[in-house]
Amino acid sequence: DVKVTQSSRYLVKRTGEKVFLECVQDMDHENMFWYRQDPGLGLRLIYFSYDVKMKEKGDIPEGYSVSREKKERFSLILESASTNQTSMYLCASSLGGFQAFFGQGTRLTVV
Amino acid sequence: ELKVEQNPLFLSMQEGKNYTIYCNYSTTSDRLYWYRQDPGKSLESLFVLLSNGAVKQEGRLMASLDTKARLSTLHITAAVHDLSATYFCAVDENRDDKIIFGKGTRLHILP
Repeated sequence: DVKVTQSSRYLVKRTGEKVFLECVQDMDHENMFWYRQDPGLGLRLIYFSYDVKMKEKGDIPEGYSVSREKKERFSLILESASTNQTSMYLCASSLGGFQAFFGQGTRLTVV
Repeated sequence: ELKVEQNPLFLSMQEGKNYTIYCNYSTTSDRLYWYRQDPGKSLESLFVLLSNGAVKQEGRLMASLDTKARLSTLHITAAVHDLSATYFCAVDENRDDKIIFGKGTRLHILP
């Protein structure tokens, strides 16, 4: 079974903190994704990576950056957390042309 | 920019009835995915549709893809309470492996 693991289920951070969300997949997938999910807005793509050290902006990259130093790991970084970044964050991975597999999600609250 | 629109966004229906969820997308694509999300859970893959005219069925759910109309449908036959969930369609734009989601259809089936 494909496994996508996010490092935390719940996080509470203060405004202005630097926040790291980690995601690891064990199926040697080329593609990895970070989405945020908000009520009524569905899943919105933040960043997408199609190979190690390769990344592409999604629909809402502002305030976020990413890092992919190894194929199995994709990190989302909030350089200076703000309250409007309170959300559910979902990581996913895929092999080209196939469906994406999702992690369990990280619910981030910025206070 | 790819847009994915689902209709309706919320659906309440009686057990035993049939209904269809629609997914329209704005650019050329022949890769479409359907997912299910239960409350508090992550996304689970339901169907992968990879060509014009593709039809997939599992249990009471059937998905189809018309790439010329840029439309996919998810048909529910004789709904049962266990199908209550949020259903998302997602599209891979131009086969570049970047997957964009619709806002989801929250389905509530009344016993």
